Amino acid sequence: DVKVTQSSRYLVKRTGEKVFLECVQDMDHENMFWYRQDPGLGLRLIYFSYDVKMKEKGDIPEGYSVSREKKERFSLILESASTNQTSMYLCASSPPGTSGHNEQFFGPGTRLTVL
Amino acid sequence: KQEVTQIPAALSVPEGENLVLNCSFTDSAIYNLQWFRQDPGKGLTSLLLIQSSQREQTSGRLNASLDKSSGRSTLYIAASQPGDSATYLCAVVEYNFNKFYFGSGTKLNVKP
Repeated sequence: DVKVTQSSRYLVKRTGEKVFLECVQDMDHENMFWYRQDPGLGLRLIYFSYDVKMKEKGDIPEGYSVSREKKERFSLILESASTNQTSMYLCASSPPGTSGHNEQFFGPGTRLTVL
Repeated sequence: KQEVTQIPAALSVPEGENLVLNCSFTDSAIYNLQWFRQDPGKGLTSLLLIQSSQREQTSGRLNASLDKSSGRSTLYIAASQPGDSATYLCAVVEYNFNKFYFGSGTKLNVKP
């Protein structure tokens, strides 16, 4: 079974703090993704990575950065957390599109609250 | 830009009913379409993946169909159960392979 794990289920941080969200997958997938999910707005892509050290901006990258130093790990960084970044953060991974079967698998999510 | 729409936004049915959830997309140049289930406060669980060359996929009581030319997919749930209560999302992947476009979901409530 594909497993995508996220470092925390719930996180509470203060405005201005630097926040790290970690995601690890165990299926040797090339692609990894970070989304945020908010009521009424659905899932929005923040960043994705298609290889180690490679990254591309999604639809809402402002205020976020990412790091992918190893294939299995993809980190989302909030440089200076703000209250409007309170949200559910979801990590996902998938094989490359060229595999012909790029099914996407999600982690359990991290509920981040910024006070 | 690809847009994915799911109708209805919410659905309430009595246990045992067969039901259909709808997903439509604006650009038919998709690589595949995936259906997910999400329980409250949890991540997404993959249900079915349909490649663009396929017309349907089945898993247990679930059957998903794909009509690329009309930009539509349906998820059919047979003999619904209270445990099927969740939000169901569809997502399409375009030929650049890397970006998934999600619908906003249909929230299903199956009443005992």
